[in-house]
Amino acid sequence: SQTIHQWPATLVQPVGSPLSLECTVEGTSNPNLYWYRQAAGRGLQLLFYSVGIGQISSEVPQNLSASRPQDRQFILSSKKLLLSDSGFYLCAWSVFGTNTGELFFGEGSRLTVL
Amino acid sequence: SQQGEEDPQALSIQEGENATMNCSYKTSINNLQWYRQNSGRGLVHLILIRSNEREKHSGRLRVTLDTSKKSSSLLITASRAADTASYFCATGSNTGKLIFGQGTTLQVKP
Repeated sequence: SQTIHQWPATLVQPVGSPLSLECTVEGTSNPNLYWYRQAAGRGLQLLFYSVGIGQISSEVPQNLSASRPQDRQFILSSKKLLLSDSGFYLCAWSVFGTNTGELFFGEGSRLTVL
Repeated sequence: SQQGEEDPQALSIQEGENATMNCSYKTSINNLQWYRQNSGRGLVHLILIRSNEREKHSGRLRVTLDTSKKSSSLLITASRAADTASYFCATGSNTGKLIFGQGTTLQVKP
């Protein structure tokens, strides 16, 4: 069966510090991978998605970046965090070729920037 | 951009009652999905309804889709305290991305 792991679960970082959130998927090959951000009490905003190694599409301009160094690994990074980067970050995957199919989510990473 | 808008934003009912949540959207879609999110957790897929379908059932869940009105509803019958969560609709279109609404927070009182 497929599983998705996301870490760290919680993170408190000072403004201007770097960020690295990691997501890995097991039990499937060549998944589509996604990073979403959820502000408190709000819906999900798509940040990045990837259909293959090294292929990243960015949805919104920001100081975040994403990378996919391996087929089932997706990393969200920042060189210098802003207060506005605080939020709940969710990684998700879907079956390759089904961009609007069912999404499988990780448990999320809660980032607080102080 | 957010396409789906859920209504109501918050809903509080007694255990055993039915809960109905609505979702409206603006553009043409290929499918509409409903997800559930327990507080502080990831989202879990509940049901997908395609644009050529009008109604779908899964256990205590019933989803309807009216493409002429660009709206969908999620009905949870015989609600339980464990159904307490936030529920999101998400629309899939030819853009190749799922766009999520703001969600409905459901509280089921025991």
